[in-house]
Amino acid sequence: GENVEQHPSTLSVQEGDSAVIKCTYSDSASNYFPWYKQELGKGSQLIIDIRSNVGEKKDQRIAVTLNKTAKHFSLHITETQPEDSAVYFCAASVNDYKLSFGAGTTVTVRA
Amino acid sequence: DAGVIQSPRHEVTEMGQEVTLRCKPISGHDYLFWYRQTMMRGLELLIYFNNNVPIDDSGMPEDRFSAKMPNASFSTLKIQPSEPRDSAVYFCASRKDRGTYNEQFFGPGTRLTVL
Repeated sequence: GENVEQHPSTLSVQEGDSAVIKCTYSDSASNYFPWYKQELGKGSQLIIDIRSNVGEKKDQRIAVTLNKTAKHFSLHITETQPEDSAVYFCAASVNDYKLSFGAGTTVTVRA
Repeated sequence: DAGVIQSPRHEVTEMGQEVTLRCKPISGHDYLFWYRQTMMRGLELLIYFNNNVPIDDSGMPEDRFSAKMPNASFSTLKIQPSEPRDSAVYFCASRKDRGTYNEQFFGPGTRLTVL
């Protein structure tokens, strides 16, 4: 099955700086790569996703890049704000409904 | 819409007891997923349903776990008998097949503690 590794496990950044989270996956057939944000006491929420026919996608301060050859994808958050503090999960899927998640990255934005 | 609703939010029980977790998906969604989140293993898919039918239960850890979806608006995850290693946060998620837009919407989770 699919194996997704996510790094780092924790990330502390100064407000206004950028944050980068990296994930690798094992199944070359995977073609859907969502990122979820989990705030304390809440369920995860999709923040951005990318499909294998696209190399990069951007939504305001959030961007995701995908390198299918190397089987890795990354989340970039620019101009971080305190409300960006949360746990972020990457995921990969062949059929876009059976998701395999990474272990999560706890992001702390220092004011 | 109220989103995915899970109950209870917190459950504390003793080893050997039966535990039932409940989920109400978003109306109109045709997929329902049960996940378990632990520090050691992260977020794992246990089972998912499509149109109330279980499609893949390969993530269910053992026979002590069972899940049902008697109708489109309700699902249960049951653990009998419960063990301390079952302590985790259990999430339910639902999704509507819209072709290329397939976000899963997660509930707030049930934090289960088995003593």
